[in-house]
Amino acid sequence: DAEITQSPRHKITETGRQVTLACHQTWNHNNMFWYRQDLGHGLRLIHYSYGVQDTNKGEVSDGYSVSRSNTEDLPLTLESAASSQTSVYFCASSETSGNTIYFGEGSWLTVV
Amino acid sequence: AQSVTQLGSHVSVSEGALVLLRCNYSSSVPPYLFWYVQYPNQGLQLLLKYTTGATLVKGINGFEAEFKKSETSFHLTKPSAHMSDAAEYFCAVSEATGGFKTIFGAGTRLFVKA
Repeated sequence: DAEITQSPRHKITETGRQVTLACHQTWNHNNMFWYRQDLGHGLRLIHYSYGVQDTNKGEVSDGYSVSRSNTEDLPLTLESAASSQTSVYFCASSETSGNTIYFGEGSWLTVV
Repeated sequence: AQSVTQLGSHVSVSEGALVLLRCNYSSSVPPYLFWYVQYPNQGLQLLLKYTTGATLVKGINGFEAEFKKSETSFHLTKPSAHMSDAAEYFCAVSEATGGFKTIFGAGTRLFVKA
């Protein structure tokens, strides 16, 4: 079955360190997304991509970057981790815009 | 711009009682509407969606939702709650003028009492 795999699932890092969260999907979807989930805020879009070499900023993109070198992967990088970036991060994909979004299991990140 | 409001961050029902989770949206054009469910320590999964056609949409696990354009609502219901329905539920909207980006509500946590 097709799926989205996120790694690591849990990570603790120190303030100021660079962190990369990996996301790999086997749906062969063009669209990929990164969301963060925080209590009281629901899911907020960080970055998204509509295809290889395409990346776009979402509503909470400051301090984050992504790159899309192939269809399957969209790694999320925190350039200099801050305590405000402690959150649960979800990678997701969809076949086309406006279609059903499929989610990974989440990556729990704690910045101390 | 599109937006989603879920009324009530927490809803508690007894097992066997009606489940009603409220969702109102704002959209300048006909929207696509979704309900997703999130079980503990898992990602979200699609419960049901409305794109076009019949306004009453049936989803998995006995849930359904009705698109009411005049009320800009897409409330989620289930006639009889089961303990396994305890989860967080997210309403979402997607529309053409927003580039079909999907915007999620803040979520409603459903508690089911025995």
